[in-house]
Amino acid sequence: TQLLEQSPQFLSIQEGENLTVYCNSSSVFSSLQWYRQEPGEGPVLLVTVVTGGEVKKLKRLTFQFGDARKDSSLHITAAQPGDTGLYLCAGEMDSNYQLIWGAGTKLIIKP
Amino acid sequence: ETGVTQTPRHLVMGMTNKKSLKCEQHLGHNAMYWYKQSAKKPLELMFVYNFKEQTENNSVPSRFSPECPNSSHLFLHLHTLQPEDSALYLCASSPYKGMNTEAFFGQGTRLTVV
Repeated sequence: TQLLEQSPQFLSIQEGENLTVYCNSSSVFSSLQWYRQEPGEGPVLLVTVVTGGEVKKLKRLTFQFGDARKDSSLHITAAQPGDTGLYLCAGEMDSNYQLIWGAGTKLIIKP
Repeated sequence: ETGVTQTPRHLVMGMTNKKSLKCEQHLGHNAMYWYKQSAKKPLELMFVYNFKEQTENNSVPSRFSPECPNSSHLFLHLHTLQPEDSALYLCASSPYKGMNTEAFFGQGTRLTVV
């Protein structure tokens, strides 16, 4: 069974703090996507990382793909209430392009 | 309208009912997907259509029946569901089923089986 484990499952912090969310697997992925899902909405793609060791920045969000392409992290600097949501990672399998999803990290940023 | 639209947004049905979920995309995509999302569990891929042909059925019970009449529309027909089928059902589309393609999701249908 291919698994993508996300941690933590839940995180509630104050506005202005920094945080990191992790996505880990024993499988190698051709790429990894991060999505954010707000209540009552479907997931929306934030970024795709493709190359081992790749780092991408989206304003205060920094995404990193592990060197071995088995894990990824999302770091948020100076979190804001607008960052609240469910963060999902999804790894793409080389063999059939199917996405393997993590269970998500529910993030709450308190003003 | 733009994007991926799902109807209805909420559905309550009895175990003996028959209902259908509808998904429509206005993005010109050729691949469409049904996912099941339950609390604290990974998204479960149910069905995939690529250029109107079903390419994947991930061991989904026969009480769920998909239909893709054209590349813009996708249906999920439901009958004799169980309470454990209660979940958020998400439709998604992508330009095609292939490497590094972004999935565009609808808002989902919140299904409750009573």
